[in-house]
Amino acid sequence: NAGVTQTPKFQVLKTGQSMTLQCAQDMNHNSMYWYRQDPGMGLRLIYYSASEGTTDKGEVPNGYNVSRLNKREFSLRLESAAPSQTSVYFCASSDQGSNQPQHFGDGTRLSIL
Amino acid sequence: EDQVTQSPEALRLQEGESSSLNCSYTVSGLRGLFWYRQDPGKGPEFLFTLYSAGEEKEKERLKATLTKKESFLHITAPKPEDSATYLCAVQFNQAGTALIFGKGTTLSVSS
Repeated sequence: NAGVTQTPKFQVLKTGQSMTLQCAQDMNHNSMYWYRQDPGMGLRLIYYSASEGTTDKGEVPNGYNVSRLNKREFSLRLESAAPSQTSVYFCASSDQGSNQPQHFGDGTRLSIL
Repeated sequence: EDQVTQSPEALRLQEGESSSLNCSYTVSGLRGLFWYRQDPGKGPEFLFTLYSAGEEKEKERLKATLTKKESFLHITAPKPEDSATYLCAVQFNQAGTALIFGKGTTLSVSS
């Protein structure tokens, strides 16, 4: 079972370049999420989509945009990358409703020079 | 102030030496508390959900418990393969389905 698939796994960008991180899930989940994980900071929510057609800001949305392409896919876009966006990005999905565990992909490691 | 605090930050155990990890939270209106395991270079792997004080969940050598403002992850007779970072996250009424994560406890078990 694939679960949550993220592409690419690694990427190096130059400051000012744009990039889209892709995420797809095959668990028929309604809700999808994007987090970033930085040393000493823990996982922080960037954006989420409670259901197809809706998106909402999380704790750290500045500098990012998202698109819920369909029920399976949720992409994260950096329009003009900055060194402060160097991080590991995780996508997650869950069944709709509270108390549902989120299931994570293995992340995209992004370095911005 | 962090809404979710995990302690200790790092823990070294000998194989078979039982111990506990702590997760405390300050949010009100808890909907659920989640424990995850994260291996290096991987995404978090779901372990348990706890909903109300007094609840307990077990899986192999792991047992999670929940009190009013904290949760414990007890590790009984750990093995080297239990080495990982353990993450705690809470979901509360005002935040919808979003999770607030602690910074994790990195556990190393040596043989």
